[in-house]
Amino acid sequence: GAVVSQHPSRVICKSGTSVKIECRSLDFQATTMFWYRQFPKKSLMLMATSNEGSKATYEQGVEKDKFLINHASLTLSTLTVTSAHPEDSSFYICSARTSYEQYFGPGTRLTVT
Amino acid sequence: KQEVTQIPAALSVPEGENLVLNCSFTDSAIYNLQWFRQDPGKGLTSLLLIQSSQREQTSGRLNASLDKSSGRSTLYIAASQPGDSATYLCAVVYNQGGKLIFGQGTELSVKP
Repeated sequence: GAVVSQHPSRVICKSGTSVKIECRSLDFQATTMFWYRQFPKKSLMLMATSNEGSKATYEQGVEKDKFLINHASLTLSTLTVTSAHPEDSSFYICSARTSYEQYFGPGTRLTVT
Repeated sequence: KQEVTQIPAALSVPEGENLVLNCSFTDSAIYNLQWFRQDPGKGLTSLLLIQSSQREQTSGRLNASLDKSSGRSTLYIAASQPGDSATYLCAVVYNQGGKLIFGQGTELSVKP
């Protein structure tokens, strides 16, 4: 079946630094990838839709300069949290879409100290 | 506004019991509906996908039904096991290539 990986699975960084999270579709090509954020005991909040070769589309209220998304190839999208602050601490999940379904990565736990 | 609601938010049952999780959506013109499972600190695993033209889908002990006219879906879990303990999320898509709109999830605990 379709597999999506994320790296790293956990990251701790200091306030003010930037962190990059990678999302890869391992056995299929995904023209569209999605980035979600999930708070404890809450559902997934869509942050942005990433299309290969074009600029990401951000949801309302999500700062595009804060959360930089690059979809460089059909199997790789990256999310960079710039100048991270403790309030950016969260669980970030990516998803890649085929023609029929979305497949989700295992998530990345970001902790900003 | 297109919203997805799941009831209950949490459910605890003894092992072996059959149970039903509910999902409702405000706009019935969906393209498809999907049920996911999420274990603590993990990503989402797709359980069942129901196209708008379908009424139900089955996989093992799981059965998902879809009633578009009433804006509802149910996930039936037969003979529950402690390993079924997880959060179950339903999500709808309103057009091909559209984004998933998630419910808040139901946290299920199956006690041995």
